Amino acid sequence: GQSLEQPSEVTAVEGAIVQINCTYQTSGFYGLSWYQQHDGGAPTFLSYNALDGLEETGRFSSFLSRSDSYGYLLLQELQMKDSASYFCAVTNDYKLSFGAGTTVTVRA
Amino acid sequence: NAGVTQTPKFRVLKTGQSMTLLCAQDMNHEYMYWYRQDPGMGLRLIHYSVGEGTTAKGEVPDGYNVSRLKKQNFLLGLESAAPSQTSVYFCASSYSKGSTDNFGSGTRLTVV
Repeated sequence: GQSLEQPSEVTAVEGAIVQINCTYQTSGFYGLSWYQQHDGGAPTFLSYNALDGLEETGRFSSFLSRSDSYGYLLLQELQMKDSASYFCAVTNDYKLSFGAGTTVTVRA
Repeated sequence: NAGVTQTPKFRVLKTGQSMTLLCAQDMNHEYMYWYRQDPGMGLRLIHYSVGEGTTAKGEVPDGYNVSRLKKQNFLLGLESAAPSQTSVYFCASSYSKGSTDNFGSGTRLTVV
């Protein structure tokens, strides 16, 4: 089976930087994805890493180390609208398996 | 393009009733998925399909059945609903196994 570990909650102030770590155990690993979900909404895709290294998309960056079974999502210049749940997910054998999610709260 | 469309958006069932949730995608994606999400938890895979006419079990398949008779549609059935199936159900599709998934807006199901 698969298992993913990520922190349950993070709180930070506007303008700050937040790093959400994700460690995983799985077989048949293809890649690590990150999703954002606001209350009552559908998950929306943020980033996908299939190879080691850093992927940057605007204020959000994602990192993967396949040898360490570890990745992180970096949120920079935090804004109030970034308050949401963030999920890491591993892609293996055609499907995604999700972590339990990290609730990010941004304070003014 | 509508993307991934789920119907209905809300439903209340009595224990023992049956229903079908419909997922439709207009992106010609091969892969389609049904997930459930319970409060404070991540999404858990119920069933998935890697192409028209194929289905496979995910992490939590018990109590559910699926069909993929047409490439664009993926149906999730509950034959005899139970309170434990109260959840938010999300459908998703993707064009390859390593790609991102496009999610529908969800179906909020309550079984009383």
